[in-house]
Amino acid sequence: AQTVTQSQPEMSVQEAETVTLSCTYDTSENNYYLFWYKQPPSRQMILVIRQEAYKQQNATENRFSVNFQKAAKSFSLKISDSQLGDTAMYFCAFMKPSGGSNYKLTFGKGTLLTVNP
Amino acid sequence: NAGVTQTPKFQVLKTGQSMTLQCAQDMNHNSMYWYRQDPGMGLRLIYYSASEGTTDKGEVPNGYNVSRLNKREFSLRLESAAPSQTSVYFCASSPPVGRNQPQHFGDGTRLSIL
Repeated sequence: AQTVTQSQPEMSVQEAETVTLSCTYDTSENNYYLFWYKQPPSRQMILVIRQEAYKQQNATENRFSVNFQKAAKSFSLKISDSQLGDTAMYFCAFMKPSGGSNYKLTFGKGTLLTVNP
Repeated sequence: NAGVTQTPKFQVLKTGQSMTLQCAQDMNHNSMYWYRQDPGMGLRLIYYSASEGTTDKGEVPNGYNVSRLNKREFSLRLESAAPSQTSVYFCASSPPVGRNQPQHFGDGTRLSIL
């Protein structure tokens, strides 16, 4: 079974600074997908960024980027120019296609990020 | 476009009562999922449905049943609620094709069992 580990239960950063959230995973698969989801106090689960394991290039979405190290099984999220609205719980998730149209996600336990003014 | 809609948003039950959580999606997705979220545990998969008429157990299925009523709707039933089932429940769906399509989540149901 796949496992996802987020070693930082809580982090804080000053507004406008950069912060990196860590995520490692364990799998014997070669083909898989990785995601970062954001859960603000409103409790919605919002997709932040995604990465396909077969792509060497790191994904980027505006202020959010990842450092994907496949050999090390590491998938960290970097948030640049942090904003107060980035305050949320962040979940790293692993997805292995299991056939047909069924894709199951395995989540880490989350990192609570607080952006301070 | 409503996406994934869950009802109710909040519910309080007494131990032993039964309850059905409803979920509907309007994105023509084949796969649907039920998760529970507990403090410090992330989201854990309860049941999923790869397509209409099929359901399978996830990581924590005990105490729950599901019904995939049609392509749009996937309900979660607690037959005899227990305090350990106090949690936030999320329904999600994913599209039928696309290797990296993410799951779309509802807004969650906060369920308290007294």
